[in-house]
Amino acid sequence: KQEVTQIPAALSVPEGENLVLNCSFTDSAIYNLQWFRQDPGKGLTSLLLIQSSQREQTSGRLNASLDKSSGRSTLYIAASQPGDSATYLCAVPIYNFNKFYFGSGTKLNVKP
Amino acid sequence: EAQVTQNPRYLITVTGKKLTVTCSQNMNHEYMSWYRQDPGLGLRQIYYSMNVEVTDKGDVPEGYKVSRKEKRNFPLILESPSPNQTSLYFCASSTGLAGGFSYNEQFFGPGTRLTVL
Repeated sequence: KQEVTQIPAALSVPEGENLVLNCSFTDSAIYNLQWFRQDPGKGLTSLLLIQSSQREQTSGRLNASLDKSSGRSTLYIAASQPGDSATYLCAVPIYNFNKFYFGSGTKLNVKP
Repeated sequence: EAQVTQNPRYLITVTGKKLTVTCSQNMNHEYMSWYRQDPGLGLRQIYYSMNVEVTDKGDVPEGYKVSRKEKRNFPLILESPSPNQTSLYFCASSTGLAGGFSYNEQFFGPGTRLTVL
């Protein structure tokens, strides 16, 4: 069974800071890794999907990296804004199966 | 607009009263899945479906049933709900296999908050 861990569980930063969210997984035989954002009481919004053959994926101020061999992914947020405040989740499927495993998330608060 | 819809969004019911939460997607996705989200436990997969008439258990299937008679719909059935099924439920879909084990983005519905008294 895949174990997915996200550190830190919560993070509070002033506006404008660059920050890094971490996701680690125990089974490195993955097809891809997906980062999501969840606002309170809302559904999940896909941010970035990194295929197993990729090392990085970028979208605007977001950059996600993937190191399969070490079982880690990072989500880099540049020049954080109060609107970035949300919970960020990572998810991985298991190779040859169709199950997905989620981390518990990092709750981000960006202070104006 | 491409989307996953769930109904109802909120439901309060009593123990033992059968209920169905509907899920529908308009993106012609092969893969659909149900998750529950609980504080401290994160998102856990209940059931998934690779295509019409193909379903399988996730990590927490006990007390739930699903069916996939049409590609766009994937209802979640609780035959005899119990208080420990009080949770926030999400349906998701993606393009699925695409000729191999190639998983693409999962798109999520808005969630259904279920309370079982």
